[in-house]
Amino acid sequence: DGGITQSPKYLFRKEGQNVTLSCEQNLNHDAMYWYRQDPGQGLRLIYYSQIVNDFQKGDIAEGYSVSREKKESFPLTVTSAQKNPTAFYLCASRPDNTDTQYFGPGTRLTVL
Amino acid sequence: GQQLNQSPQSMFIQEGEDVSMNCTSSSIFNTWLWYKQDPGEGPVLLIALYKAGELTSNGRLTAQFGITRKDSFLNISASIPSDVGIYFCAGLASSNAGGTSYGKLTFGQGTILTVHP
Repeated sequence: DGGITQSPKYLFRKEGQNVTLSCEQNLNHDAMYWYRQDPGQGLRLIYYSQIVNDFQKGDIAEGYSVSREKKESFPLTVTSAQKNPTAFYLCASRPDNTDTQYFGPGTRLTVL
Repeated sequence: GQQLNQSPQSMFIQEGEDVSMNCTSSSIFNTWLWYKQDPGEGPVLLIALYKAGELTSNGRLTAQFGITRKDSFLNISASIPSDVGIYFCAGLASSNAGGTSYGKLTFGQGTILTVHP
């Protein structure tokens, strides 16, 4: 069954702890993206990666880090430096030579 | 940076009514995408538009790429309860095909649609 998976669906962490969100795709897409969604707002780009071992900062990268060691995987770490980490996080991937991005089901992170 | 203004912010309609929403920008976009998001889920692509003036349908949904390249419209005909959700427009300033835009989409704020049976 092809697609984009994100785990876990819900995540709770104490303030000051780093947390890593998983994103996996078996669509053979080179490009992958991480977005943050807050209530009443559109999606904001955190980081993106065009190929393995390469990634670029998006519009709101401060307090986040990523890695891209495998084509299928693009994990996002929310560090303790992120001032307001509670949000819904969405991962997406894009086929080559198209502009269309396809989204995973999202992870809702709550920092207590 | 680029911004998309999506309107209306929310709509409350009766089942069977038609719905219209739009996105406008001060910048030119070469691709427009429309997504629907159910609560707690990721956005699902509804329609993709690649050419100015293009009119594309997907069942009861119809979307248009504005001639000026600065706007796009989405219409839903004969709404049903399962149309409930948040609808997002997204634009890309330059095509990724052979280019270097890296597929960085700009998203509207979303239109929350409520359909009363």
